Amino acid sequence: AQSVAQPEDQVNVAEGNPLTVKCTYSVSGNPYLFWYVQYPNRGLQFLLKYITGDNLVKGSYGFEAEFNKSQTSFHLKKPSALVSDSALYFCAVRDSRDDKIIFGKGTRLHILP
Amino acid sequence: DADVTQTPRNRITKTGKRIMLECSQTKGHDRMYWYRQDPGLGLRLIYYSFDVKDINKGEISDGYSVSRQAQAKFSLSLESAIPNQTALYFCATSSRDSGAGQPQHFGDGTRLSIL
Repeated sequence: AQSVAQPEDQVNVAEGNPLTVKCTYSVSGNPYLFWYVQYPNRGLQFLLKYITGDNLVKGSYGFEAEFNKSQTSFHLKKPSALVSDSALYFCAVRDSRDDKIIFGKGTRLHILP
Repeated sequence: DADVTQTPRNRITKTGKRIMLECSQTKGHDRMYWYRQDPGLGLRLIYYSFDVKDINKGEISDGYSVSRQAQAKFSLSLESAIPNQTALYFCATSSRDSGAGQPQHFGDGTRLSIL
């Protein structure tokens, strides 16, 4: 069965510093990996995905994520954090042989001015 | 205008009542999903539908039912609401997968409180 873990409930980063939000996954087949962001009183918004190809994936709002097959990880990164990046971030995984997406429990990102 | 619209946005009701949450989309997607979000638990899949004649149970379908009235409409019902169904409910859509892992598109949610 597929699963996804976000080991940190909350991450605090000073504005201007690089940020990382961690995600690890487990699937039987090849993984499709996604990051979503949720702002208050809104639904989830798609940020980026990894399907195949380059391990470094670039997405919306300057975010990127690095796929690491040996560590089964897909960490979200941004070189310089903005206060407006403060939100709830979800990692999700889909086994290429299945149709359902499994979401992590979410990591709350606080960017401190 | 929102591509995925959920109604109502907020609802307070009493234990034992029947409740329907509605979702409509203008994205032309075949696939529609219902999730609930609880603090610390992330999103859990309730039901999903890959076309009008296809309905599938998700991780936590007990106490819920769904109806896919048309390609664009997917409603979630709580036949007899109970307090532990208090949560934030999301509808999502995605296009038919072409091998590229299509992302899901979410509505803004319905906050449901059952007293």
